[in-house]
Amino acid sequence: DGGITQSPKYLFRKEGQNVTLSCEQNLNHDAMYWYRQDPGQGLRLIYYSQIVNDFQKGDIAEGYSVSREKKESFPLTVTSAQKNPTAFYLCASSPGARGVYEQYFGPGTRLTVT
Amino acid sequence: AQSVAQPEDQVNVAEGNPLTVKCTYSVSGNPYLFWYVQYPNRGLQFLLKYITGDNLVKGSYGFEAEFNKSQTSFHLKKPSALVSDSALYFCAVRDADSGAGSYQLTFGKGTKLSVIP
Repeated sequence: DGGITQSPKYLFRKEGQNVTLSCEQNLNHDAMYWYRQDPGQGLRLIYYSQIVNDFQKGDIAEGYSVSREKKESFPLTVTSAQKNPTAFYLCASSPGARGVYEQYFGPGTRLTVT
Repeated sequence: AQSVAQPEDQVNVAEGNPLTVKCTYSVSGNPYLFWYVQYPNRGLQFLLKYITGDNLVKGSYGFEAEFNKSQTSFHLKKPSALVSDSALYFCAVRDADSGAGSYQLTFGKGTKLSVIP
């Protein structure tokens, strides 16, 4: 069964703690993405990766970090430097980062920081 | 820079009636355009895309969209709405000709569609 998995579905953390969100895909896609979704604001790109061991900042990378050590995995760390981390986080992948490809999305992780 | 506007936060339509969800875009080059749907607390599902060719694009679940270059629009349509179509719809654009923009997909803020029984 192919697709993108994100875990956990819900995550609760105390302010000041770093937290890592998992994203795994078995679609053999080269490109992977992290988005943040807030009510009424659509999706905003945090980071993307075109290939293993390479990634670029998106529009709102401050306070976040990523790694891409394996093709199938693209974890996102929300650091204590992120001023407003409570949001719905979506991971996506596509066969390539450029051109005509649509993106395939995971089910999302809802992070609440108090 | 590329951008997308979805001018309606919410669209209400009666079951069985045709529906339209509006989208306009701005890119410096040629656009690649996409529509996605999101059900509550779920990820986005791809509906359809325009890359080139025929201006009328057909997609999943009976949806279609019409690309209009002169009006820079890509409105989503369905001839007969179902209650199960109620969801959040996102339009997205990528600039086919721009170096940096060709990597990044820019999303609109979404339109909530409610189909009333």
